[in-house]
Amino acid sequence: GENVEQHPSTLSVQEGDSAVIKCTYSDSASNYFPWYKQELGKRPQLIIDIRSNVGEKKDQRIAVTLNKTAKHFSLHITETQPEDSAVYFCAPLGEDQAGTALIFGKGTTLSVSS
Amino acid sequence: DAGVTQSPTHLIKTRGQQVTLRCSPKSGHDTVSWYQQALGQGPQFIFQYYEEEERQRGNFPDRFSGHQFPNYSSELNVNALLLGDSALYLCASSWTVNTGELFFGEGSRLTVL
Repeated sequence: GENVEQHPSTLSVQEGDSAVIKCTYSDSASNYFPWYKQELGKRPQLIIDIRSNVGEKKDQRIAVTLNKTAKHFSLHITETQPEDSAVYFCAPLGEDQAGTALIFGKGTTLSVSS
Repeated sequence: DAGVTQSPTHLIKTRGQQVTLRCSPKSGHDTVSWYQQALGQGPQFIFQYYEEEERQRGNFPDRFSGHQFPNYSSELNVNALLLGDSALYLCASSWTVNTGELFFGEGSRLTVL
């Protein structure tokens, strides 16, 4: 099955700084790469995703970059704000899976201080 | 348009008991996945249901079982509860054609004493 690792496990930044979280995966057939955000006591929510036919996708202050050769993808948040404080999970999906079950990393806790 | 709804939101059981958790998927979705999220951990995949059948299963013992009904709603059953089963149980729905994006419910918080 898919092995997923996220780094760092915790990240503290000042408001306005950039934050980068990296996710490595083991299944070379993975073709879908999402990032989920989970605020304290709330449900995980998709914030951005990318498919294997593109290398980068951007949505306002958030971007995801993909390096399929090296089997990793990264979440980039620019101009961080206190409301970005949350736990972020990557959850790559393998092409050879019969279903659409995402396997989540252990998460990165981002703290943005003002 | 209702999102994913789960019930109950909180419940307390004792070791050895059995529990049933329920999930109604987002309108238009036909696939339901269940996840267990222990405190401070990422969601761990339990199993996924599509067309009333278990399509995929994670590394969970047979004490964990499920069901999907013709209206796509789903149940998660856990037998012989252990203290370690205490967790937030998340249901997520998706449209099988659009592989990938999951919509999560708020979860059922299970405490086993």
